[in-house]
Amino acid sequence: DGGITQSPKYLFRKEGQNVTLSCEQNLNHDAMYWYRQDPGQGLRLIYYSQIVNDFQKGDIAEGYSVSREKKESFPLTVTSAQKNPTAFYLCASSDVKGPNEKLFFGSGTQLSVL
Amino acid sequence: GQNIDQPTEMTATEGAIVQINCTYQTSGFNGLFWYQQHAGEAPTFLSYNVLDGLEEKGRFSSFLSRSKGYSYLLLKELQMKDSASYLCAVDQAGTALIFGKGTTLSVSS
Repeated sequence: DGGITQSPKYLFRKEGQNVTLSCEQNLNHDAMYWYRQDPGQGLRLIYYSQIVNDFQKGDIAEGYSVSREKKESFPLTVTSAQKNPTAFYLCASSDVKGPNEKLFFGSGTQLSVL
Repeated sequence: GQNIDQPTEMTATEGAIVQINCTYQTSGFNGLFWYQQHAGEAPTFLSYNVLDGLEEKGRFSSFLSRSKGYSYLLLKELQMKDSASYLCAVDQAGTALIFGKGTTLSVSS
């Protein structure tokens, strides 16, 4: 079955530690996205990539980094510079050549600070 | 600036009809999405409006007025499983979707 896989589902970070959230898709989509969701809040864009080896900052990129070395993969690293990392992280992809750029979401990763 | 407004919470009873409004002010506009999100889960696609008017899809309908910067999601014959957050998102060409904060709908029996 085609879809987006995020792992792990739950992740704990210690002070000063970098952690990486995985996102893999087999939908052959060109574009991939990372959103952050805090309780009672909507989705805020961290980074997005519309093509391999290229990505753009979203509204809240500070303290995060990404790479897009393969079309299928768009990992997100939460660095120690992100002082408030506790949130639900959602990865998504879309077919930018389609009639509407509907997002397909992964099941999310809940990140908490120890 | 970019702004998308939705009510924070709404309540309704089983079998009723509820309308969730969304107003937007964005620098670009291609269309408007509605997503449903149950707690702790990923959002799922409900509808996409490009042209003015009402799009009906089963118990759910979505309306768009581009001139007024306004959309609504209409849910009919409410069921308990419709308790969820409903996210309005604006599609701007060449960039990522911008989401509102979402409306949490509670359906009671």
